[in-house]
Amino acid sequence: GNSVTQMEGPVTLSEEAFLTINCTYTATGYPSLFWYVQYPGEGLQLLLKATKADDKGSNKGFEATYRKETTSFHLEKGSVQVSDSAVYFCALSDSSGANNLFFGTGTRLTVIP
Amino acid sequence: DAGITQSPRHKVTETGTPVTLRCHQTENHRYMYWYRQDPGHGLRLIHYSYGVKDTDKGEVSDGYSVSRSKTEDFLLTLESATSSQTSVYFCAISESAGQGSGNTIYFGEGSWLTVV
Repeated sequence: GNSVTQMEGPVTLSEEAFLTINCTYTATGYPSLFWYVQYPGEGLQLLLKATKADDKGSNKGFEATYRKETTSFHLEKGSVQVSDSAVYFCALSDSSGANNLFFGTGTRLTVIP
Repeated sequence: DAGITQSPRHKVTETGTPVTLRCHQTENHRYMYWYRQDPGHGLRLIHYSYGVKDTDKGEVSDGYSVSRSKTEDFLLTLESATSSQTSVYFCAISESAGQGSGNTIYFGEGSWLTVV
């Protein structure tokens, strides 16, 4: 079946620190992989995505590379800001016709000045 | 903004009462979804729709029903609300689907439901 396991939080970093949030997946077929971000009181926003092995998704300084050999899609950012404080969700889209998303449990990031 | 409106945004209801949440989209996207978000579980799919009057169950569909009579509206009904259905409910839409398509799913802002 399809599942996503992501690093448990919460994660607290100082401003300008390096961020890594680990994400691994189990899937049948060839999933697409996503990172979504949720700011307090809001819905989920797409942060980045990758649709095939070795693709790198990037946005707003965040990056993640689709690694089929390690079934991973780790999120990284070189220098976090206070405004990056949010909950981050790793997700995969299954290979069926319905494009359903399977989510990890989320990782709360707090960046302190 | 992805043109998704959920209503109501907040609701408190009593155990055993029926509740309907509405999702309205202005994007004319074919696929619509209802998810619930709970601590320690991330988001889980309740039901989805792939066209008018075409719906299917997701991972946690027990106790829920859906209807889609128009492209733009997708209703989620809790037939007899229970405390375990206290959650945040998110509607989502997608233009198309298919293996490896990576079509983005856009989310609404959520509906907070409390069952007392």
